[in-house]
Amino acid sequence: AQSVAQPEDQVNVAEGNPLTVKCTYSVSGNPYLFWYVQYPNRGLQFLLKYITGDNLVKGSYGFEAEFNKSQTSFHLKKPSALVSDSALYFCAVRDSYSSASKIIFGSGTRLSIRP
Amino acid sequence: DGGITQSPKYLFRKEGQNVTLSCEQNLNHDAMYWYRQDPGQGLRLIYYSQIVNDFQKGDIAEGYSVSREKKESFPLTVTSAQKNPTAFYLCASSIGTGGATEAFFGQGTRLTVV
Repeated sequence: AQSVAQPEDQVNVAEGNPLTVKCTYSVSGNPYLFWYVQYPNRGLQFLLKYITGDNLVKGSYGFEAEFNKSQTSFHLKKPSALVSDSALYFCAVRDSYSSASKIIFGSGTRLSIRP
Repeated sequence: DGGITQSPKYLFRKEGQNVTLSCEQNLNHDAMYWYRQDPGQGLRLIYYSQIVNDFQKGDIAEGYSVSREKKESFPLTVTSAQKNPTAFYLCASSIGTGGATEAFFGQGTRLTVV
């Protein structure tokens, strides 16, 4: 069975500092991994995805994510946080053996960047 | 301007009433999805459609119904059988149903039972 966990409900970071939002997953086959961001009362916006290849994936707004197969993790990172990065972040996973419907979302991590 | 349009943004339902949420996309995507979002629970799949005139139940389909008569449209009806319908509803679409395909989301409809 597929699952995805975001162990932190909230992450607080000072502006200009690096940020990390954690995600771990469990799948039967190879994982397809996604990060989305959601601003208040809005839909989700796609940030980046990992399919195969380079373990460091670069995405929108300066975000990147590192795939670690041995730790089954896909943490979202940014070298220097902005106040405008404050939002709700979702990690999602799909098993390569599953149909497109079976994308599983984590419970979300609220990122708060203080000035 | 391409994208997914959900309407209305806010919807109020009385007890025992059916309501329909609209979702339209002009991205020429084959697949469309409906998710429900509750605080602290992430997104849960209600229904999905991979092609016109075909759709499948997701994880929490009870109390909901959908139709897919046109490629661009995938309306969701919340019936009176749904006992706890107050939530934020998100429609999404993707080019296909391959595993590596990301989904694009609408802006959501917030449904409240009054």
